[in-house]
Amino acid sequence: DGGITQSPKYLFRKEGQNVTLSCEQNLNHDAMYWYRQDPGQGLRLIYYSQIVNDFQKGDIAEGYSVSREKKESFPLTVTSAQKNPTAFYLCATSPPAGARNSDTQYFGPGTRLTVL
Amino acid sequence: AQKITQTQPGMFVQEKEAVTLDCTYDTSDPSYGLFWYKQPSSGEMIFLIYQGSYDQQNATEGRYSLNFQKARKSANLVISASQLGDSAMYFCAIFSPTSGDMRFGAGTRLTVKP
Repeated sequence: DGGITQSPKYLFRKEGQNVTLSCEQNLNHDAMYWYRQDPGQGLRLIYYSQIVNDFQKGDIAEGYSVSREKKESFPLTVTSAQKNPTAFYLCATSPPAGARNSDTQYFGPGTRLTVL
Repeated sequence: AQKITQTQPGMFVQEKEAVTLDCTYDTSDPSYGLFWYKQPSSGEMIFLIYQGSYDQQNATEGRYSLNFQKARKSANLVISASQLGDSAMYFCAIFSPTSGDMRFGAGTRLTVKP
């Protein structure tokens, strides 16, 4: 099946622990994005990567880190420095430049992180 | 910097009627893309419709159409013949080719009444 996979769907962690959220895609898309969504609010950009081994900070990068060692994978680590990490995290990808719908972002199912 | 504004936190519509969800934007990019996404209670973000800033005609996708008024910087979503399954959050977003990122509005919660 082609698509974007985020695992797990629900994640619980104790305060002070780092946690890594997975995002995998087999769509051959170049760009990948991480967003955070708090209840009743819109999406805020954490990090994005347009090519392998390169990524840029979004609006709320503090307390988060990412890596892009493979085209298919863009994991997000929520560190203990993130003051309020409980949220819904969405990963997205977009097709290569020049492809149809190259500006469109397609989303994974999301991971709901709860820090206790 | 880009900004998206959705002024309607919640909207109600009777089943089978049409509804318009408002979206205004601000950007300094000469070229940009405008998007609408639907988010049901399950949380997934579903792409609905896209409008390029240089597109002359308003975008349409089935029951969805985009009322694009470039001079007014508005990109309202029109849903015709509403269905109960249309009840969801709807987000407007703007993409900047310059920065390569997308900005989302705060969303509008649409409730379709039987």
